[in-house]
Amino acid sequence: QSALTQPASVSGSPGQSITISCTGTSSDVGGYDYVSWYQQHPGKAPKLMIFEVSSRPSGVSNRFSGSKSGNTASLTISGLQAEDEADYYCSSYTSSNTLLFGTGTRVTVL
Amino acid sequence: QVQLVESGGGVVQPGRSLRLSCAASGFTFSAYAVHWVRQAPGKGLEWVALISYDGSNKHYADSVKGRFTISRDNSRNTLYLQMNSLRPEDTAVYYCARDLEPVLLWGPFDYWGQGTLVTVSS
Repeated sequence: QSALTQPASVSGSPGQSITISCTGTSSDVGGYDYVSWYQQHPGKAPKLMIFEVSSRPSGVSNRFSGSKSGNTASLTISGLQAEDEADYYCSSYTSSNTLLFGTGTRVTVL
Repeated sequence: QVQLVESGGGVVQPGRSLRLSCAASGFTFSAYAVHWVRQAPGKGLEWVALISYDGSNKHYADSVKGRFTISRDNSRNTLYLQMNSLRPEDTAVYYCARDLEPVLLWGPFDYWGQGTLVTVSS
């Protein structure tokens, strides 16, 4: 199975909002509400930011929000801050009893 | 505090085997499903395998099925990944990760280890 499709890069100025898309199929993103988003800074382990499409773990800023429409999930970061500069990955459960990650998006704060 | 510490990585020739370990502490290891996720140098994340809390359910990515075996020893609070017939494309940092809640099987992952690097090269 191929990875879920994400844009390679997204950028924004401090204070702005950005949205990262994650496109799959009806066998993964579109078929289940088991979409998660992870943030990864260079040389570090990933950090869970959003789970079950739109739920935030405790301790994660409410500037991060998630949504889904059809086969595409989205992560929105509002009030962009310098510390948000990182790689972001979506993931989804699939009908083949596997987990798929997205291709990853590099977020740059201008 | 919850900790996951991987070990066992290193340089190995193609076709050989390696066993990774992940030592867990700070939580009831026997209550949680755990996973292996890998990341090739400069590349994205790839899910590798999962094992349920009691070891009764195991699932693998197609890329490793038949070559890798996930197992756990709840008495030792340790997760394992036996990797056989290694290929250059298996070169990656291997992370162990824990499910957010005990009842889950397919993530999400709230705690990750620091990773251990496996390099497959002649």
